[in-house]
Amino acid sequence: DAGVIQSPRHEVTEMGQEVTLRCKPISGHNSLFWYRQTMMRGLELLIYFNNNVPIDDSGMPEDRFSAKMPNASFSTLKIQPSEPRDSAVYFCASSLPAGGEPNTGELFFGEGSRLTVL
Amino acid sequence: GNSVTQMEGPVTLSEEAFLTINCTYTATGYPSLFWYVQYPGEGLQLLLKATKADDKGSNKGFEATYRKETTSFHLEKGSVQVSDSAVYFCALAPYSSASKIIFGSGTRLSIRP
Repeated sequence: DAGVIQSPRHEVTEMGQEVTLRCKPISGHNSLFWYRQTMMRGLELLIYFNNNVPIDDSGMPEDRFSAKMPNASFSTLKIQPSEPRDSAVYFCASSLPAGGEPNTGELFFGEGSRLTVL
Repeated sequence: GNSVTQMEGPVTLSEEAFLTINCTYTATGYPSLFWYVQYPGEGLQLLLKATKADDKGSNKGFEATYRKETTSFHLEKGSVQVSDSAVYFCALAPYSSASKIIFGSGTRLSIRP
């Protein structure tokens, strides 16, 4: 079974350019998360979706960041315009529905998209 | 609020040494607790978990016990290998907010041959 698939794996762009990161969650998972990882701040939750609906976007740094989930098998994280301080590894993760049981909370991470903004 | 505190790294050990990485948490209710591991160049993956007090999670020789009385979930391994070199994250999933998992800051572990 395929895991969480992210693209691109590496992106180098110039300040001011638009960046779009893509994620395909594991089939059947209906929670999707976007994280950012840097040396300075560690792992930060940017936004998460349940059933394609954004539930909490309080971690999104500013208006330059936006995320969408048009269907259960695809999500994008867009940065426009990009800045050097956005350089980081961006991870997408998905998880099984909680249902009526306490969520066991296991997240399945993709391999990440390493973004460098010059 | 809910939070996770884990020991700062980096931690450097010799092969076959005993490992402990401390983790304590603050949470309301009855969270589930986890250790995730991140190998170089990869995403995080679940190492072990415990969903209620006194549960012991174990995998690949690693163990951690959910201690409600001390609000701790320390990671241990009796004899580490070079291949265990990675970053380890303690995490909790609050019962009341099942989808919002909270990660600690991570502890980098390096094992010398």
